[in-house]
Amino acid sequence: QSVLTQPPSASGTPGQRVTISCSGSSSNIGSNTVNWYQQFPGTAPKLLIFSNNQRPSGVPDRFSGSKSGTSASLAISGLQSEDETDYYCAAWDDSLSGWVFGGGTKLTVL
Amino acid sequence: EVQLVESGGGLVQPGGSLRLSCSASGFTFRSYTMHWVRQAPGKGLEYVSLISGSGGTTYYADSVKGRFTISRDNSKNTLYLQMSSPRPEDTAVYYCVKSYSPGFQGGRDAFEIWGQGTMVTVSS
Repeated sequence: QSVLTQPPSASGTPGQRVTISCSGSSSNIGSNTVNWYQQFPGTAPKLLIFSNNQRPSGVPDRFSGSKSGTSASLAISGLQSEDETDYYCAAWDDSLSGWVFGGGTKLTVL
Repeated sequence: EVQLVESGGGLVQPGGSLRLSCSASGFTFRSYTMHWVRQAPGKGLEYVSLISGSGGTTYYADSVKGRFTISRDNSKNTLYLQMSSPRPEDTAVYYCVKSYSPGFQGGRDAFEIWGQGTMVTVSS
């Protein structure tokens, strides 16, 4: 079981806005920033969102992140077929003194 | 261009040993905390270990504590993961990862650059 909880799957139609949730606790999301990663099959993950809501250079502004309390969300607006892949949240956990990941969410574009 | 290239993966017997290497280029290696993250076949990401730029701070996930050792050689721009007494459940792709910001950022960090990964299979 992952320390951070994500829904195993999410879906949307092209052009739609979808959100993926990430639930944690006071020792991780509640007291630290959240990062999001995108991973295509057979490739290494890519940093998508850092510090809750910051986009690295090159990441389209269709991707956005937010955090409230012990939960965080990744939102994808104007959904495109190429967004169909896996997404992971991550945060530092003060109790474990280390990083923890969510179990991942597989996004399907219908 | 920032680049991380892992090597050293392969088949290892339970109880054996294996050393993974990660050759870094395109940035000031000694200034950045480095990490190992793994992914078992068909599974999610699992954090393994980190080492600060100077090597003075290390962290291990409970699942590998006492068996794996992270180290770095800043003169060679290389990160290592010594795997001792590996178990079948250690079978995974192992990724070398560079921190987003220099220094030791703890909870304010992010995993900016990932290597292509090296596959480790633990089996008799």
